[in-house]
Amino acid sequence: GENVEQHPSTLSVQEGDSAVIKCTYSDSASNYFPWYKQELGKRPQLIIDIRSNVGEKKDQRIAVTLNKTAKHFSLHITETQPEDSAVYFCAASPSGSARQLTFGSGTQLTVLP
Amino acid sequence: DVKVTQSSRYLVKRTGEKVFLECVQDMDHENMFWYRQDPGLGLRLIYFSYDVKMKEKGDIPEGYSVSREKKERFSLILESASTNQTSMYLCASPPTTGGFETQYFGPGTRLLVL
Repeated sequence: GENVEQHPSTLSVQEGDSAVIKCTYSDSASNYFPWYKQELGKRPQLIIDIRSNVGEKKDQRIAVTLNKTAKHFSLHITETQPEDSAVYFCAASPSGSARQLTFGSGTQLTVLP
Repeated sequence: DVKVTQSSRYLVKRTGEKVFLECVQDMDHENMFWYRQDPGLGLRLIYFSYDVKMKEKGDIPEGYSVSREKKERFSLILESASTNQTSMYLCASPPTTGGFETQYFGPGTRLLVL
């Protein structure tokens, strides 16, 4: 089955700096890659996703890049703000089906004021 | 907006007790999921259901069972709770967006087994 590795497990950045979280996956058939943000005490929420026919997707300060050849994808947050502090999870699915969604282990991002 | 609710935010149970965690979604979705979340391990799939009375094991089903008698309700059952089942439990239900399913999570139930 699919295996998703996520790095780093913790990340601290100064407010205004950029943050990058990286994930690798094992199943070359994976074609859907969502990212979730979980604030303290709250449920995980989808923030951005990318499909395998696209190399990059951007939504305001958040972007995701996908390298299918290397089987890795990354989340980029620019101009970080304290409210970006949260746990971020990547995930991968070989079919676009939630039944086959495999999650990474999570990254605790702390934005220091 | 998808609404997924869970019956309890916090539960404290004793070893050996039978525990029921309830999840309800109001969007007529066919698929419903139970995950557990532990620090450093991410989200791991316990069970999912793709229709009423239908269920399939996920990655870590041992010690759990599920029930889906109605489409909107999916229950996770710990037949005899153990301390290693202390965790955060998240129910989820995916709407389909552009042919791809993404999870929408409930608020979670933090279970402590003493």
